[in-house]
Amino acid sequence: GESVGLHLPTLSVQEGDNSIINCAYSNSASDYFIWYKQESGKGPQFIIDIRSNMDKRQGQRVTVLLNKTVKHLSLQIAATQPGDSAVYFCAENSGYSTLTFGKGTMLLVSP
Amino acid sequence: EAGVTQSPTHLIKTRGQQATLRCSPISGHTSVYWYQQALGLGLQFLLWYDEGEERNRGNFPPRFSGRQFPNYSSELNVNALELEDSALYLCASSPGTSGGYSYEQYFGPGTRLTVT
Repeated sequence: GESVGLHLPTLSVQEGDNSIINCAYSNSASDYFIWYKQESGKGPQFIIDIRSNMDKRQGQRVTVLLNKTVKHLSLQIAATQPGDSAVYFCAENSGYSTLTFGKGTMLLVSP
Repeated sequence: EAGVTQSPTHLIKTRGQQATLRCSPISGHTSVYWYQQALGLGLQFLLWYDEGEERNRGNFPPRFSGRQFPNYSSELNVNALELEDSALYLCASSPGTSGGYSYEQYFGPGTRLTVT
């Protein structure tokens, strides 16, 4: 799920499918990770977070998986809906309470 | 409960001018963060204020500055505007930190700054 240049990677799914959005993070010392959803014209919206002492956390229709060995984070969305269409960002706590954001993945859900 | 608010929604300035952006955090939050989101790019961390003090700063020139007021609202000032400063400026707030433990950040809708 990392961006290439100015073009966001895009994941296109059908309504009802499960979606998996991936993110590689950079700092092995990061201890806190968040997924955000950003709809067009709006600020990022908090979805779910996970601390480094966990490898999985579940929310409503969403699950975050953390693999510290390969510095990989994923967001799974169950039964994806058209309202889930947005840009999804992962963010890591890069120290002293500041977040470093990935460049985002665009999720497109078709009915 | 009111979320993070930002003003103005849109701001158009010419090169060389100064811009002032404002942010009001969620009630009870003491930390305010500023981010720049240029077109096609992710969020770049600008500044972090907590309890009225600047706690951390991103890799931006000194003409990006700000402050936090006693009521925890914040201003971002950008001096000597350049064309590449055109971006969405996002403010986020959090309850602050306790012993270095981080909390999730809640974002406002942003201010779209256009420099011509």
